Amino acid sequence: GNSVTQMEGPVTLSEEAFLTINCTYTATGYPSLFWYVQYPGEGLQLLLKATKADDKGSNKGFEATYRKETTSFHLEKGSVQVSDSAVYFCALSDSGGSNYKLTFGKGTLLTVNP
Amino acid sequence: DTAVSQTPKYLVTQMGNDKSIKCEQNLGHDTMYWYKQDSKKFLKIMFSYNNKELIINETVPNRFSPKSPDKAHLNLHINSLELGDSAVYFCASSQARKNEQFFGPGTRLTVL
Repeated sequence: GNSVTQMEGPVTLSEEAFLTINCTYTATGYPSLFWYVQYPGEGLQLLLKATKADDKGSNKGFEATYRKETTSFHLEKGSVQVSDSAVYFCALSDSGGSNYKLTFGKGTLLTVNP
Repeated sequence: DTAVSQTPKYLVTQMGNDKSIKCEQNLGHDTMYWYKQDSKKFLKIMFSYNNKELIINETVPNRFSPKSPDKAHLNLHINSLELGDSAVYFCASSQARKNEQFFGPGTRLTVL
């Protein structure tokens, strides 16, 4: 079956530091890949996505590139802010028939200190 | 103008009780989902409905019964609640054949 493995963290950085959260996946076919973010006490928000190999998703300074050869979708940001503190989830979607089921990684807690 | 809403936000109840969580989306989507997030933040799909028809039913105890009265609503009824049911339950929706899902704010269920 499908699976997603990501850095478990927690990750603690100082403001303006470089961020990488690793994510690798196992899937049949050609899944779409996502990063979701969960701020404290809130639901999940889509941060970025990529639907095919070599696509780069980007949003709010975050980027991730769909690497089919390494089955990876690492999340990066050049300079983090305190407001980026949240839990980040890597996910893939499995187009089973007419429905898309999200399979999530275990989440990575990021804390950014001023 | 909330896109995906859930009620209640918090639910505290005793073991053995029956409870329901409601979800509504105003995005005009065809497909709705329930996910469970455990105490370690791990998220796992439970159910998916497309146009009121059950599409995905993961290995969830049959004490959990989803009900979709129309395509804008997907409610989750839980019978004979157990301690292990304590979690945050998220509802989500998407347009059919689109893989972007929109999540509700979650319902934190605590079983005592």
